Amino acid sequence: QKEVEQDPGPLSVPEGAIVSLNCTYSNSAFQYFMWYRQYSRKGPELLMYTYSSGNKEDGRFTAQVDKSSKYISLFIRDSQPSDSATYLCAMSALRGGADGLTFGKGTHLIIQP
Amino acid sequence: DAGVTQSPTHLIKTRGQQVTLRCSPKSGHDTVSWYQQALGQGPQFIFQYYEEEERQRGNFPDRFSGHQFPNYSSELNVNALLLGDSALYLCASSLEQGAGYEQFFGPGTRLTVL
Repeated sequence: QKEVEQDPGPLSVPEGAIVSLNCTYSNSAFQYFMWYRQYSRKGPELLMYTYSSGNKEDGRFTAQVDKSSKYISLFIRDSQPSDSATYLCAMSALRGGADGLTFGKGTHLIIQP
Repeated sequence: DAGVTQSPTHLIKTRGQQVTLRCSPKSGHDTVSWYQQALGQGPQFIFQYYEEEERQRGNFPDRFSGHQFPNYSSELNVNALLLGDSALYLCASSLEQGAGYEQFFGPGTRLTVL
């Protein structure tokens, strides 16, 4: 079993829909949780960073962490074609990823105009 | 404010050769991490440098080595290249102390081993 599981998709939704992306993990030591967006052949771009359980909102993006279920989610409201990309969840046990970030495989998201 | 920069952008090598990749961290950052991303996979942690020392290492063989310079820039060296080393190599920088300790990634170096 991989440490972080993420459905690779592709996930295709119409423009304006609410998108739900999620990851599960097995290592209970993880405390820091991130979502990155990666466009084709580019480096990952940090979208959201959360510590421990709870919700965090930033514009159209909401990140949720449920440590009891070892489950994290990213919601995108009013999705746009420019949101089409691969979304990577990442996590670490130490602040700032001092132990190295552990990534999911990434979910390929397609927003249809 | 310059972000993380990496060079070269693309590189083609043959099996058995050696390669050096370079990274300049985001202004003000003092920690550099290296990741390998194979096609269709998430990035895999190679190692992290802080204060010119390798602080953490992922599950990569000794063929992978690195260095951090006093100006915080870093190099990744890979010896005896294998076909399986073909990947996007990503550098990420962060700040050890204070606010803003997230890791920010560069555009990557795409290495092809023939």
